[in-house]
Amino acid sequence: GNSVTQMEGPVTLSEEAFLTINCTYTATGYPSLFWYVQYPGEGLQLLLKATKADDKGSNKGFEATYRKETTSFHLEKGSVQVSDSAVYFCALRDKSGGGADGLTFGKGTHLIIQP
Amino acid sequence: DTGVSQNPRHKITKRGQNVTFRCDPISEHNRLYWYRQTLGQGPEFLTYFQNEAQLEKSRLLSDRFSAERPKGSFSTLEIQRTEQGDSAMYLCASSPGGAGANVLTFGAGSRLTVL
Repeated sequence: GNSVTQMEGPVTLSEEAFLTINCTYTATGYPSLFWYVQYPGEGLQLLLKATKADDKGSNKGFEATYRKETTSFHLEKGSVQVSDSAVYFCALRDKSGGGADGLTFGKGTHLIIQP
Repeated sequence: DTGVSQNPRHKITKRGQNVTFRCDPISEHNRLYWYRQTLGQGPEFLTYFQNEAQLEKSRLLSDRFSAERPKGSFSTLEIQRTEQGDSAMYLCASSPGGAGANVLTFGAGSRLTVL
């Protein structure tokens, strides 16, 4: 079946540091890949997505590249801010492999940015 | 449009009682999803509607759980004879069809505590 594995947190960084949150996946077909973010007290929000190999999703300074050869979709940001503190979820949708129409999520990575 | 709305936001109940959650999706979205999220975990897919038709149900959705979307607009998720293990955040999401189906908009969730 489909699964998503992401690095465990919490990840604590200083403001302006470089961020990488690792995400790898297992899927039977050709999934679309997503990063969602959950700020305290709020619902999940789509941060970025990529629908095919070598696509790069980007938003708000965050980037992730769909790497089929390594089945990875690592999230990066060059200079984090305190306002980036949140829980980040990697997810996939794999209709081509006969998977459920719903998203499969990783466990989430709690990011804490200190001033 | 105010996004995806869920009610109630919090529900505390005693074991054995029935509870019902309501989700109002974005009005032009024909797809609606229910997820469950427990502490420290990512959201887990429960069920999916396209218009009023319930097209997929996860094996997580036991016989005590039932979801409806009678007119293809709002949806309800009912849990009968609640158990302590049902304590979780119940998330609703909606999306348009076609090319936009990949992008889910989530509500803030309904937190259930079973005593």
